[in-house]
Amino acid sequence: DQQVKQNSPSLSVQEGRISILNCDYTNSMFDYFLWYKKYPAEGPTFLISISSIKDKNEDGRFTVFLNKSAKHLSLHIVPSQPGDSAVYFCAAAIDQGGSEKLVFGKGTKLTVNP
Amino acid sequence: DAGITQSPRHKVTETGTPVTLRCHQTENHRYMYWYRQDPGHGLRLIHYSYGVKDTDKGEVSDGYSVSRSKTEDFLLTLESATSSQTSVYFCAISRGQGNSPLHFGNGTRLTVT
Repeated sequence: DQQVKQNSPSLSVQEGRISILNCDYTNSMFDYFLWYKKYPAEGPTFLISISSIKDKNEDGRFTVFLNKSAKHLSLHIVPSQPGDSAVYFCAAAIDQGGSEKLVFGKGTKLTVNP
Repeated sequence: DAGITQSPRHKVTETGTPVTLRCHQTENHRYMYWYRQDPGHGLRLIHYSYGVKDTDKGEVSDGYSVSRSKTEDFLLTLESATSSQTSVYFCAISRGQGNSPLHFGNGTRLTVT
């Protein structure tokens, strides 16, 4: 059973607009969440994270929002740029559980059109 | 870029042959991981290591074995490759705590014919 779900396999947005990538989780024990970005022929790279004690974390153009009651998080990219075109993976963990307990979603492919 | 090197980057092999993939790190991180990425499945953990000679199974460990004789090297072996093991394999490292991000290598694309 999928514990971390990214229900949109793909998303297409125009350059300069907002990209919103969504992620839902089912395990209420998860208390730490991460987003990774992956370009073709490269490994995933860490983008941004959020702990369950927060509901928002911002890093430049990237903001992650966490809604614990809905077990939902989202990644906002504003403004979107063509270089943001990549696959984005959501991941969840129990903070003290060790990185081997990290659970990944299936990914959302973002395409930013010039 | 975290110092992670995977070799080979591409490999084609025949069903039934043994295959070993290598991951080398220069970061001196304690934890190392092997993941596979398949369409429709995201990233799934195969095996991981929490120190020299200390390894454990992940979600999809059947058909795979690992070894870690030095801090910097983590080997993934397919004892007898099957077509279902055609995939992209990623090595990752971390300091190991739950909130330590993983740093990934650039992957090995393995095709089993």
